[in-house]
Amino acid sequence: AQKVTQAQTEISVVEKEDVTLDCVYETRDTTYYLFWYKQPPSGELVFLIRRNSFDEQNEISGRYSWNFQKSTSSFNFTITASQVVDSAVYFCALSKTSYDKVIFGPGTSLSVIP
Amino acid sequence: GAVVSQHPSWVICKSGTSVKIECRSLDFQATTMFWYRQFPKQSLMLMATSNEGSKATYEQGVEKDKFLINHASLTLSTLTVTSAHPEDSSFYICSARTGSSYEQYFGPGTRLTVT
Repeated sequence: AQKVTQAQTEISVVEKEDVTLDCVYETRDTTYYLFWYKQPPSGELVFLIRRNSFDEQNEISGRYSWNFQKSTSSFNFTITASQVVDSAVYFCALSKTSYDKVIFGPGTSLSVIP
Repeated sequence: GAVVSQHPSWVICKSGTSVKIECRSLDFQATTMFWYRQFPKQSLMLMATSNEGSKATYEQGVEKDKFLINHASLTLSTLTVTSAHPEDSSFYICSARTGSSYEQYFGPGTRLTVT
């Protein structure tokens, strides 16, 4: 069975601080896909990143970076120099194949305080 | 980028009535659409997967007769909540995918309130 765990329910940081959101996943598949989505208060999901299980390279996109470690089944997300606009719920997700349904983690609510 | 719309964005209905939510892919053909439900402060839970022209596949615990899904065309899927009850009040989100891409595009969601 597939499962995604986000142990941090809520995080609060002061603007300009760095923050890391943890994601641990479980799967028996050798091939799988991992995702991060942002859900601002408006509710609409914003796609952030997709990573397949064969690509363990860390990725950086502006203030966002992701650390994928298969050895620990983790796919952590770091926001550098956080901003108030980063306040949202962030979901880590897992998919068996590129065509399969996406299993979402419980989400981490991030509040960035000015 | 690919755009998915949902209509209505919010709806209030009385207990016992039925309500239909539309999910449209605006600039691509969606061979597969997914319907999710999200209760307040909770995660998205997949309700069903629908492929164009065939019956939807429901997740365990989701009542097929209560949540009717129709995917009659490559650009439209509908979710009908029949005999709605207050506990059906939730945020319903659809996503769509083409046959040639693994990317899922999410709609903006529909907030349903049953009074």
